[in-house]
Amino acid sequence: QKEVEQDPGPLSVPEGAIVSLNCTYSNSAFQYFMWYRQYSRKGPELLMYTYSSGNKEDGRFTAQVDKSSKYISLFIRDSQPSDSATYLCAMSSSGGSYIPTFGRGTSLIVHP
Amino acid sequence: GAVVSQHPSWVICKSGTSVKIECRSLDFQATTMFWYRQFPKQSLMLMATSNEGSKATYEQGVEKDKFLINHASLTLSTLTVTSAHPEDSSFYICSAEKYGVLSEYEQYFGPGTRLTVT
Repeated sequence: QKEVEQDPGPLSVPEGAIVSLNCTYSNSAFQYFMWYRQYSRKGPELLMYTYSSGNKEDGRFTAQVDKSSKYISLFIRDSQPSDSATYLCAMSSSGGSYIPTFGRGTSLIVHP
Repeated sequence: GAVVSQHPSWVICKSGTSVKIECRSLDFQATTMFWYRQFPKQSLMLMATSNEGSKATYEQGVEKDKFLINHASLTLSTLTVTSAHPEDSSFYICSAEKYGVLSEYEQYFGPGTRLTVT
């Protein structure tokens, strides 16, 4: 079993839909959880960064962490075609300088 | 801001030649930079951790003599793929660490370099 599991998709939704992206993990020591967005042939861009359990909202994006279930989610409200990209979850356990473990990414397609 | 650049963005080289890829943190200093490799529709695979002024730390299975890393300053790390072969063709991405608002280090990624070896 991989440390971080993420469905590669693709996930195809109509414009305006609410999108739910998820990752599960097995390492209970993970405390820091990140979501990155990667457009085709570009480097990943940090979207959300949360610590421990709970929710964090930033504009149309909401990140949720449920450490008891080892499950994290990223919700995108009012999805736009420009949201079409690959979304990677990442997580780490160490404080200070860290090296995160990445999921393989979920490809999202928002069609007009 | 936290901007990381890479150069070149795309390079084609012949088998047996060497290619150097540069990674720069443009508006912050990065003691630590990371080099990743990404195959199509796959996740990021960490190759090595580059620390300014010291030798890089390579992940298991990564040949340090083939992938030479130099971190000569707080804003520049280079990856040289020596004696490249077609199987080295991939998307190479660097990232740089910056101390974030959560009192932890955040990684900011460069735009990537697509290497094609013919």
